[in-house]
Amino acid sequence: GAGVSQSPSNKVTEKGKDVELRCDPISGHTALYWYRQSLGQGLEFLIYFQGNSAPDKSGLPSDRFSAERTGGSVSTLTIQRTQQEDSAVYLCASSPAWGANQPQHFGDGTRLSIL
Amino acid sequence: AQRVTQPEKLLSVFKGAPVELKCNYSYSGSPELFWYVQYSRQRLQLLLRHISRESIKGFTADLNKGETSFHLKKPFAQEEDSAMYYCALSGIAAGNKLTFGGGTRVLVKP
Repeated sequence: GAGVSQSPSNKVTEKGKDVELRCDPISGHTALYWYRQSLGQGLEFLIYFQGNSAPDKSGLPSDRFSAERTGGSVSTLTIQRTQQEDSAVYLCASSPAWGANQPQHFGDGTRLSIL
Repeated sequence: AQRVTQPEKLLSVFKGAPVELKCNYSYSGSPELFWYVQYSRQRLQLLLRHISRESIKGFTADLNKGETSFHLKKPFAQEEDSAMYYCALSGIAAGNKLTFGGGTRVLVKP
């Protein structure tokens, strides 16, 4: 595709429900990142995947959050037993290689609202 | 731990005036610095990175390791520059993930 694709674009759910957010990175990009953008917290790193290496989960805020990346391509971020403080825009990004100087290409994000 | 600080939340300038967005960082090691921009109803996108030492859309940014700063500058602001700007840092010691500043909203008035 032309860019990073995320779905759904908007998700409204009740507190306590589980949600799954999907990210389809740019074809051929080996590194994939998840960030969260919320009021008062700015843009926060959550998790990233690079090739077949173990993911860096250091930014996940609690054990209710998990993510996987299948076949080195599509990634799913799962939030279990959602809380109101999980309301935010969840952004996915990919880069062609792993490295500190690699530019990251962002998707449009999923706006998650917990009622 | 690494940190990026953008002291101005809002910067309002008139068209044709110079604009400077401040960014300061703390990092143990050799950082990679970036400026990302988000125009209204568009996705976050890379504006420029220090390693490229280039000018994009008239913007430049110089990495000053002595002052740990990476300020973004443009000599003559245009209305289409109105957007949200984020300074970001990466590096090996940071696990190659981006740490963002809080962002500066720029409003260019006609």
